[in-house]
Amino acid sequence: AQSVTQPDIHITVSEGASLELRCNYSYGATPYLFWYVQSPGQGLQLLLKYFSGDTLVQGIKGFEAEFKRSQSSFNLRKPSVHWSDAAEYFCAVGDPSSGDKLTFGTGTRLAVRP
Amino acid sequence: ETGVTQTPRHLVMGMTNKKSLKCEQHLGHNAMSWYKQSAKKPLELMFVYSLEERVENNSVPSRFSPECPNSSHLFLHLHTLQPEDSALYLCASSLGGNTEAFFGQGTRLTVV
Repeated sequence: AQSVTQPDIHITVSEGASLELRCNYSYGATPYLFWYVQSPGQGLQLLLKYFSGDTLVQGIKGFEAEFKRSQSSFNLRKPSVHWSDAAEYFCAVGDPSSGDKLTFGTGTRLAVRP
Repeated sequence: ETGVTQTPRHLVMGMTNKKSLKCEQHLGHNAMSWYKQSAKKPLELMFVYSLEERVENNSVPSRFSPECPNSSHLFLHLHTLQPEDSALYLCASSLGGNTEAFFGQGTRLTVV
């Protein structure tokens, strides 16, 4: 069965600083990978996704993520964080064979220091 | 606005009540799902419907009963819930085949 680990529960960064959120997955082959963001009281918004091809994926709001098969990782990065980026971030894995089923990590809550 | 609308946004119900959550999408998607989001736990997939047929049921208690009358609507019928069922219930829709899922804003359910 697939699983996702987000080792950091809370992260605080200063506005303008760079950001990296970690995500490790467990899956027998190459999964589909997603990053979602959730603001308080809201649903989840897709930031970016990886299905195949270029392992560096660009997303919305200046985010990017890199798929590293050797490390089973799909870390999310942003070069300069804005106060509006404060939210909870979820990494998710999709099984290409089972369709429509996402397995989520426990999330990382990001706080941005002025 | 993701194009997936959930109602109500908030619901408080007693353990003996019967209520329903509604999800609606007009994105032309053919797969819809219910997820449960509890504090300090990963989002849990509850049910998946693809082309109006249930294709996934993640060992959810029978007090939760889904219904998908057409590809645009998904319901979650609730009865005799427990306080531990209090959570944010999220609906998602997609084109299927592990394309990206679009989520609604959720229904915050409190069972008293």
